[in-house]
Amino acid sequence: EVQLLESGGGSVQPGGSLTLSCVASGFTFGSYAMTWVRQAPGKGLEWVSGISGSGGSAHYADPVQGRFIISRDNSKDTVYLQMNSLRPEDMAIYYCAKGSSSVSRFGWFDSWGQGTLVTV
Amino acid sequence: SYDLSQPLSVSSALGQTATITCGGDNIGTKNVHWYQQRPGQAPVMVIYRDAKRPSGIPERFSGSNSGNTATLTISRAQAGDEGDYYCQVWDSNTVIFGGGTKLTV
Repeated sequence: EVQLLESGGGSVQPGGSLTLSCVASGFTFGSYAMTWVRQAPGKGLEWVSGISGSGGSAHYADPVQGRFIISRDNSKDTVYLQMNSLRPEDMAIYYCAKGSSSVSRFGWFDSWGQGTLVTV
Repeated sequence: SYDLSQPLSVSSALGQTATITCGGDNIGTKNVHWYQQRPGQAPVMVIYRDAKRPSGIPERFSGSNSGNTATLTISRAQAGDEGDYYCQVWDSNTVIFGGGTKLTV
């Protein structure tokens, strides 16, 4: 059974930084792209960032480009989201999700974590 | 940028068919995926590649995609189907989600 467990959320002042982690289990982690999706209170889903299975390719939504960094450690089955220069509009529940292949710019998200709340 | 439009809300009587649309320019040329989000829970994929059902998703869930509209159909709607539904596509190396549709049964 695929499991994704996010952590690292919390309260931070505007301009501050926070790093989220997502530990995966139940599948061959390095064979799948991973992504972060956020949901502001009472709002819809917004894609944030994705990374390929190897970690060699990463891409970002425009609102976070240049402020957020996605990375992964396949030896630890963990994907990270380093968030810098946080703004009030970044406040949301952040979900990590498993991609459908190793390619990060394709496909669907077949498993999701329960999310971690970031308050700015 | 590419936009996906969904109705804000859809209602269905218990046991009837609920239809949720997702509109986009030539969306029929893209692969559309659908997610269900029950209140207070994480999203769950219910349809991928327009019409394919993941294991564990009831056959009551089906999808189609043609022209400028993709459609999620829920047959014999149940109270447990209530929640928000989102369509998703890729465009210009970016993930696009529709604004979401609240289904009331």
